[in-house]
Amino acid sequence: AQKVTQAQTEISVVEKEDVTLDCVYETRDTTYYLFWYKQPPSGELVFLIRRNSFDEQNEISGRYSWNFQKSTSSFNFTITASQVVDSAVYFCALSERKAAGNKLTFGGGTRVLVKP
Amino acid sequence: GAGVSQSPSNKVTEKGKDVELRCDPISGHTALYWYRQRLGQGLEFLIYFQGNSAPDKSGLPSDRFSAERTGGSVSTLTIQRTQQEDSAVYLCASSLAFRQGNYGYTFGSGTRLTVV
Repeated sequence: AQKVTQAQTEISVVEKEDVTLDCVYETRDTTYYLFWYKQPPSGELVFLIRRNSFDEQNEISGRYSWNFQKSTSSFNFTITASQVVDSAVYFCALSERKAAGNKLTFGGGTRVLVKP
Repeated sequence: GAGVSQSPSNKVTEKGKDVELRCDPISGHTALYWYRQRLGQGLEFLIYFQGNSAPDKSGLPSDRFSAERTGGSVSTLTIQRTQQEDSAVYLCASSLAFRQGNYGYTFGSGTRLTVV
């Protein structure tokens, strides 16, 4: 069975600090997909990134960056120079590639609070 | 529409009553998912529809929960004889199937269900 663990339940930082969110996953599949979603106070889930299991290249998008380490089954997310608008709950998720479907399994989420 | 639409946005019901939650996915998305999010927690998978295949109901918590998807589009999640423990935000998402190039799920804003 697949499992996603986000050990940090809440992180509080001061604006402009960097913050790294940890995500560790478990799966028996060799082909799978990893996702990060942002859930701001409004409640709607916002897609941030999808990463394929066969592509370990790290990715940067503006102030966001992702570090995929297959050897440690981790897919960590860093926000550089955090801003108040980054305050949200962030979810890591895993989807196995199966013919029958591709449901997402979510971690418990990490609440990020960025103080001015 | 441009996004996933869910209705109602809020529902307050008395314990023991039945409720129906509606999800209108993005046009052309063949996959549709229901998730439940209890206050301060992560997302629990409930049910998944993919095209004409039999739905994956493995996440439904009890036989009081059921869902259908008519014409491969709109879906209705029904909760019978509601209990206070059913209080949560029910999120719907849609996506293309992997073979269609799935780059992530699009979530609706959710229905906040309160059972009193």
